Amino acid sequence: RKEVEQDPGPFNVPEGATVAFNCTYSNSASQSFFWYRQDCRKEPKLLMSVYSSGNEDGRFTAQLNRASQYISLLIRDSKLSDSATYLCVVNRGSQGNLIFGKGTKLSVKP
Amino acid sequence: GAVVSQHPSWVICKSGTSVKIECRSLDFQATTMFWYRQFPKQSLMLMATSNEGSKATYEQGVEKDKFLINHASLTLSTLTVTSAHPEDSSFYICSASRRGGLRQPQHFGDGTRLSIL
Repeated sequence: RKEVEQDPGPFNVPEGATVAFNCTYSNSASQSFFWYRQDCRKEPKLLMSVYSSGNEDGRFTAQLNRASQYISLLIRDSKLSDSATYLCVVNRGSQGNLIFGKGTKLSVKP
Repeated sequence: GAVVSQHPSWVICKSGTSVKIECRSLDFQATTMFWYRQFPKQSLMLMATSNEGSKATYEQGVEKDKFLINHASLTLSTLTVTSAHPEDSSFYICSASRRGGLRQPQHFGDGTRLSIL
C-alpha cells in the first residue's frame, strides 16, 4: 500500500463548482498534514496545513480524520486560476520528511 | 518572496557529466534540507534528507554514491549527480523548513530541470 494515496483524477469542473479531493495515508504515526498545489512544471507551493479540528481559508476547507487516516480538501466557487495539481502531503518521521501523494489534477473550465 | 533558492534552474549536459545543484535557505538557518525528484506525471519522491554537519540519510533505492549530498553550512546544501546518464533526467527540487517543529511547512526551491543528452 502506498504511504499516501489520492483520487486519481483528473477533475474537470465548470467555474463556480464545488470540488472535493480525498486522500488516505498509511502511517498512523504521521503528525503533520498539508495540501500543496503544483502548477505545470513548477515547484509545489503550500496551500494550507490541515489541523485535526478542520480548518478553512477562504474558499478552501481542509478536514482530517485521524481514526480513518483520511484527509480532504474542499474548494468552493472554483476559479479558473484554481486549475493545478493538488498534492496531499504527510510527514513521516521526526525530521519532518514529507511524503507526497501522486496528486490530483484539477481543470476548471469557463 | 522566495525563502529557498535553488540553482541552476535548468541544466542540459552530455552523458557522463557530473552536475551540482545548490539549495540555499535565504533568511533562516536550516539544519535539515530535503531533496526530491519528480519524473513527468509522477509525484515528488524524497531522495534524501540532508543534515548539516553530518551524513545525509538516503531513501531506499537511492544510490548515495551517485547522488552526493553535502550540507556544509546551515544555509546551503548541494546535490551532485555524478556521471549523469539520460535516465537521471528529471526535475530535482529541494526544500527546507524553519525551526519550530513538524507543523512548520516546508519551503521549496524553484527546482532544477536536468536533461542529460
